[in-house]
Amino acid sequence: KQEVTQIPAALSVPEGENLVLNCSFTDSAIYNLQWFRQDPGKGLTSLLLIQSSQREQTSGRLNASLDKSSGRSTLYIAASQPGDSATYLCAGPKSGGYNKLIFGAGTRLAVHP
Amino acid sequence: GAGVSQSPSNKVTEKGKDVELRCDPISGHTALYWYRQSLGQGLEFLIYFQGNSAPDKSGLPSDRFSAERTGGSVSTLTIQRTQQEDSAVYLCASSFHGGGANVLTFGAGSRLTVL
Repeated sequence: KQEVTQIPAALSVPEGENLVLNCSFTDSAIYNLQWFRQDPGKGLTSLLLIQSSQREQTSGRLNASLDKSSGRSTLYIAASQPGDSATYLCAGPKSGGYNKLIFGAGTRLAVHP
Repeated sequence: GAGVSQSPSNKVTEKGKDVELRCDPISGHTALYWYRQSLGQGLEFLIYFQGNSAPDKSGLPSDRFSAERTGGSVSTLTIQRTQQEDSAVYLCASSFHGGGANVLTFGAGSRLTVL
């Protein structure tokens, strides 16, 4: 059974810091790994998707890595801004041909000016 | 449409009543998913549609929950005889097809409160 764990559960940092959010999963047969952002009262926004054959993906100030052998993914946020404040969720589907995502509980990030 | 639309955005109901939640996926997306997010909990998978078929409904919590999809488009999640523990945000997502390489696009959710 796939389980996804995210550390830390919450993080509060001053603006400008570089951040690392951690995600670990128990089943290395994970097909891909997605990072999402959720703002209060809103749905989820997909940030990055890393295929199982890839090791990392980058989008602007965000970089996500995937190490299937160790069961870990990290989301790196460079030069954090107050607008980055949100809950960040990682999720991966079990192998099986479709996108049934198993989510972590999320990291709640607050970036203060 | 441009995104995944869900309605109602908020629903308050009395225990024992039935509710229907609607999801209108992105046009052309064949795969549709329902998730539930309870207060302080992670997202919980409910059901997956490919076209109008539901090959995986393993996450539906009880037989009070059902869902259908018509025309390969709009989906309705129905909760009968609602209970207080059904209170949650119900999120719908769609993707181009069900394969693992596809990014899921989520709607804003329907917040259900059962009094």
